[in-house]
Amino acid sequence: EVQLVESGGGLVQPGESLRLSCAASGFTFSDYGMHWVRQTAGKGLEWVSDLTAAGRTHYAGSVRGRFTVSREDAKDSFYLQINSLTAGDTGVYYCVRGTKAVAGVDFWGQGTLVTVSS
Amino acid sequence: QTVVTQEPSLTVSPGGTVTLTCASSTGAVTSGNYPNWFQQKPGQTPRALLYSTSDKHSWTPARFSGSLLGGKAALTLSGVQPEDEAEYYCLLHYGGSWVFGGGTKLTVL
Repeated sequence: EVQLVESGGGLVQPGESLRLSCAASGFTFSDYGMHWVRQTAGKGLEWVSDLTAAGRTHYAGSVRGRFTVSREDAKDSFYLQINSLTAGDTGVYYCVRGTKAVAGVDFWGQGTLVTVSS
Repeated sequence: QTVVTQEPSLTVSPGGTVTLTCASSTGAVTSGNYPNWFQQKPGQTPRALLYSTSDKHSWTPARFSGSLLGGKAALTLSGVQPEDEAEYYCLLHYGGSWVFGGGTKLTVL
């Protein structure tokens, strides 16, 4: 059974940094690209970033330069480093598995809540 | 800034058929945008329904189908069930990055 478990969210002050983690299980992690998607309060979904199995990264324009994705295949783990947090970054961050071919995404984690407030 | 547009809301009767669409500000949606569709019910995590325009995941009910229609991606629900009431999102690929649509709130009434 594919499982994705996010951690690292919490209450942070504007300007601070945060590192989100995603622990994967139930599949050969190194074979798959991974994505981060966020959902702000009462709003829709926003694709944030991905890291392909081959190691290529892509970012949404709204986060490029502040967000960095990485992965440790030996630990079946995926990360999102967020710097210079603003209130606009408040929301639930989901770890999502890519399909084996670059055709979309399939399995979602339960999400971790990030709240940016002073 | 690429914008992906969906109908804000649609209403369908139980047992009916409804089509939701997904348009791109860059022009016609093609198979190269690998349209994906997701369902999200209140308080729940999004659930993937379709990928690569019309491919179903193993858990996707047969009444959900995808296509390209008039330059847009389309999700058609046939024989709508009350449990299909939810928010539906599309996701399009743009040469490396992806963009979600704003979502369609589907009401079954």
